[in-house]
Amino acid sequence: KAGVTQTPRYLIKTRGQQVTLSCSPISGHRSVSWYQQTPGQGLQFLFEYFSETQRNKGNFPGRFSGRQFSNSRSEMNVSTLELGDSALYLCASSYRTGGITEAFFGQGTRLTVV
Amino acid sequence: KQEVTQIPAALSVPEGENLVLNCSFTDSAIYNLQWFRQDPGKGLTSLLLIQSSQREQTSGRLNASLDKSSGRSTLYIAASQPGDSATYLCAPCSGNTGKLIFGQGTTLQVKP
Repeated sequence: KAGVTQTPRYLIKTRGQQVTLSCSPISGHRSVSWYQQTPGQGLQFLFEYFSETQRNKGNFPGRFSGRQFSNSRSEMNVSTLELGDSALYLCASSYRTGGITEAFFGQGTRLTVV
Repeated sequence: KQEVTQIPAALSVPEGENLVLNCSFTDSAIYNLQWFRQDPGKGLTSLLLIQSSQREQTSGRLNASLDKSSGRSTLYIAASQPGDSATYLCAPCSGNTGKLIFGQGTTLQVKP
């Protein structure tokens, strides 16, 4: 079974641009969550999508948005990039069975804003 | 609001030592807790998942315990090896969603 796939792995953008990151979850998983990881703030939850609907949202500005498609693949978009958006963006797919939710992570997309 | 604290923040030990990493969380109403490992610049690898009804879970040299009522979990690593060097993160799952809250992690260095 293939794992969680994130593309691209590395990205360099200029301030003010926008960027779209992609995440393909494990087959059969309907929940996809996004996280931002920086040295100063650690791992912070951005949002979660389940069956094409945003189910949870973290405390990030509206420049950060996402969506999920009918095949459960998800995209995350950041508009008007700022230097502080430089981070490792991680995607996790999860499934729930028997009251247990287990998450699996992709390798991440390293975004550098210059 | 769930808050997670991991102690110690960093640990450096010689090869062969047995280690205990600590995780505490403020909301004890959890369904399960996962321990992850992260190598520098990489994604998270799931090590163990322990259900709220369990006290312990084992995988190879790793053993995780959970005391839900006191909001604590420990990860025990037996006979540490240089390949165990990584950051270890715990994440309690509080709802029936995929949202996880992380602490800052424990960065482990095992010296040959």
